[in-house]
Amino acid sequence: GENVEQHPSTLSVQEGDSAVIKCTYSDSASNYFPWYKQELGKGPQLIIDIRSNVGEKKDQRIAVTLNKTAKHFSLHITETQPEDSAVYFCAAPQAGTALIFGKGTTLSVSS
Amino acid sequence: EAQVTQNPRYLITVTGKKLTVTCSQNMNHEYMSWYRQDPGLGLRQIYYSMNVEVTDKGDVPEGYKVSRKEKRNFPLILESPSPNQTSLYFCASSYGTSSGETQYFGPGTRLLVL
Repeated sequence: GENVEQHPSTLSVQEGDSAVIKCTYSDSASNYFPWYKQELGKGPQLIIDIRSNVGEKKDQRIAVTLNKTAKHFSLHITETQPEDSAVYFCAAPQAGTALIFGKGTTLSVSS
Repeated sequence: EAQVTQNPRYLITVTGKKLTVTCSQNMNHEYMSWYRQDPGLGLRQIYYSMNVEVTDKGDVPEGYKVSRKEKRNFPLILESPSPNQTSLYFCASSYGTSSGETQYFGPGTRLLVL
């Protein structure tokens, strides 16, 4: 089955800096890679996703890049703000009906 | 408002006392699933359902049961809870059954088994 590794487990940045979270996956057939954000006391919420037919996708201050050859994808947050502080999860599909999540990255943005 | 609801949000119980955590979605989604979240382990799928009366095991199903008698509801049942089931539980749903669908998560249920 699919295996997803996520790094780092914690990340601290100053407000205005950029943050990068990286994930690797094992199944070369995987074709969908979402990122979820979990704020304190809430359930995860999709913030951006990418499919295997593109290498990069942007949405305002967040972007995701995909390298299918190396089987890794990354979340990039620019101009970080305190409200970006949260736990971020990457995921990859398994068996067509489930998502396998990474272990999460706790991002802290200090002002 | 489109949402996934879970009840209760917090629960303290004792070993062996059967409990049910309810999950309901109002989006007419076909796919529903349960996850547990533990420190350092991320989100792990317990059970999922692709439609009414269709359920299947996820990665960590031991000690849990589910049922899907109606499309909107997907309760999680712990017949005989044990301390290692102390965790944060999330219900999620998506429109289709493909893993390429956006999953909508409930607010979570924090369970403590003494």
